[in-house]
Amino acid sequence: KAGVTQTPRYLIKTRGQQVTLSCSPISGHRSVSWYQQTPGQGLQFLFEYFSETQRNKGNFPGRFSGRQFSNSRSEMNVSTLELGDSALYLCASSPKGQLNEKLFFGSGTQLSVL
Amino acid sequence: AQSVTQLGSHVSVSEGALVLLRCNYSSSVPPYLFWYVQYPNQGLQLLLKYTTGATLVKGINGFEAEFKKSETSFHLTKPSAHMSDAAEYFCAVIRSMFSGGYNKLIFGAGTRLAVHP
Repeated sequence: KAGVTQTPRYLIKTRGQQVTLSCSPISGHRSVSWYQQTPGQGLQFLFEYFSETQRNKGNFPGRFSGRQFSNSRSEMNVSTLELGDSALYLCASSPKGQLNEKLFFGSGTQLSVL
Repeated sequence: AQSVTQLGSHVSVSEGALVLLRCNYSSSVPPYLFWYVQYPNQGLQLLLKYTTGATLVKGINGFEAEFKKSETSFHLTKPSAHMSDAAEYFCAVIRSMFSGGYNKLIFGAGTRLAVHP
């Protein structure tokens, strides 16, 4: 079974631009979560989707948004990029998104904002 | 609200020595606790988890952790370190089910483990 796939692996953008990151979960998994990882703030929860519905959202500005498609693939979008958005963005999937389920993480997208 | 504190951002051990990575949690309800490992340029991989039942939890790669409610701790141990254990380790707690937090992990700041010959 293929793992969680995130594309692209690396991305370089400039301030003010927008960016879209993609995540393909493990086949059969319907829950997809997104996390931001930075040296200063560590790992922080962005949002979680299940069956195309956002069920949870972290404390991030409205510039951060996401969506999930009927095949469970998910995208996250960041508009009007700021230098502080430079981070590793990790996607994780699980079968139902239940509390005791194991999360399977992708290798992440490393975003650099110049 | 749940939170996690990992004591020591860097830990260095000799190959073959005991590994002890410390994690304390704060939770108003019985927590679900996890340890994840992150190797360079990779995502996170689950080592072990505690939900209910036995307080000594065994995970992959010879790691284990003990849930101690009285100490609000969930320390990770491995009897004998291997060079391949060098990585960053994250303790995490799940947000309370009573607030409807599906799969919303609260992570500690991480502990970078170095293993030297």
